[in-house]
Amino acid sequence: AQSVTQLGSHVSVSEGALVLLRCNYSSSVPPYLFWYVQYPNQGLQLLLKYTSAATLVKGINGFEAEFKKSETSFHLTKPSAHMSDAAEYFCAVSKKSSGDKLTFGTGTRLAVRP
Amino acid sequence: EPEVTQTPSHQVTQMGQEVILRCVPISNHLYFYWYRQILGQKVEFLVSFYNNEISEKSEIFDDQFSVERPDGSNFTLKIRSTKLEDSAMYFCASNSGGAGQETQYFGPGTRLLVL
Repeated sequence: AQSVTQLGSHVSVSEGALVLLRCNYSSSVPPYLFWYVQYPNQGLQLLLKYTSAATLVKGINGFEAEFKKSETSFHLTKPSAHMSDAAEYFCAVSKKSSGDKLTFGTGTRLAVRP
Repeated sequence: EPEVTQTPSHQVTQMGQEVILRCVPISNHLYFYWYRQILGQKVEFLVSFYNNEISEKSEIFDDQFSVERPDGSNFTLKIRSTKLEDSAMYFCASNSGGAGQETQYFGPGTRLLVL
């Protein structure tokens, strides 16, 4: 079975500070990994994905994540937080390219202080 | 840009009533999914659907749940006899399939409240 652990249910940063949201995965097969963002009262929007190509993945809104197999991690970073980044962030894993379910982590709520 | 749509956005129902949640996936997509998110909890997989049949379902997806693609565009989730614990946000998702097409696109969700 696959699983995802997101450390820190709430993270608070100052505007302009580094954002680091942690995600560790467990998978018996090479995983596909995703970060989704959920703004209040909205659906899930894909930020970025890792699908066994480059280990450093760049996404929308200045976010990036690095797949580290040795650490079973896929942490999400952004060099400089913006107020508009305040949202809930979900890490997810799947087994194969299409048709497989996503298994989500419990989410991390990011707050950005002025 | 094509998007997944869901109706209604909110639904309130009485315990024991049947509800049907509707989704229109992106038109050329082949794989369809339902997920739910109980308030304050993580997003959970319910069921996946491909080629007019269920390909996988979770233990949550018991006999009270069913899915259907009645007309080639809509994808519905029916809960036959709702329970209080069915109160959640229900998300539909779809993807096109094939190499490089891993991304599941999510609809805005239907918030279901069972009283």
